[in-house]
Amino acid sequence: QSALTQPPSASGSPGQSVTISCTGSSSDVGGYNYVSWYQHHPGKAPKLMIYAVNKRPSGVPDRFSGSKSGNAASLTVSGLQTEDEADYYCSSFAGSSTWVFGTGTKVTVL
Amino acid sequence: EVQLLESGGGLVQPGGSLRLSCAASGFTFSRNAMTWVRQAPGKGLEWVSFIYSDNGATTYADSVKGRFTLSSDNSRDTLYLQMNSLRAEDTAVYYCAKNTIFAFDIWGQGTMVTVSS
Repeated sequence: QSALTQPPSASGSPGQSVTISCTGSSSDVGGYNYVSWYQHHPGKAPKLMIYAVNKRPSGVPDRFSGSKSGNAASLTVSGLQTEDEADYYCSSFAGSSTWVFGTGTKVTVL
Repeated sequence: EVQLLESGGGLVQPGGSLRLSCAASGFTFSRNAMTWVRQAPGKGLEWVSFIYSDNGATTYADSVKGRFTLSSDNSRDTLYLQMNSLRAEDTAVYYCAKNTIFAFDIWGQGTMVTVSS
């Protein structure tokens, strides 16, 4: 149950794109198509942005997209907006009804 | 409105116990698996425990296995996390979340647990 690896920070100007990586192993990210991404503004409840690698829940803008290749997944935020500034966490199903989260990435809108 | 409301957090001494509750509303609680996630101060999210809606089977992170017990009361639409033998490293905001397709789509606002003498 080791945490998935994410870069500590990422940034971009309004309107630009930012991509966050999430690296795991064949026991989690690589073994299942069940990677999800969460947006977390400090002091608030985390919000599901992407599930099952690349599916968006109702109400999440299509500026948010997810993908996966091998043991790594990524979240891309296109057309950055000031309200996108937050912490982002990936998560993966890890088998036997267990999950693992990523280390988290702080996204700054310059 | 779909909502989860945690309660029961507070200050407890090392070795002590605490029971967290998570009251659900706006969805059929008995048909949904549920999860607890925590965030220690300055740290990232950590998956803690999961419970199946149909048979009540549970799973736990290695860091809490043998000390925490997850249960649910479908008649009260409430989830409980019994935490025993608490350690300083259990200090965190604890969130309950509703499971969807191998993800967590509804989250509560969290309840703070502080383990300190």
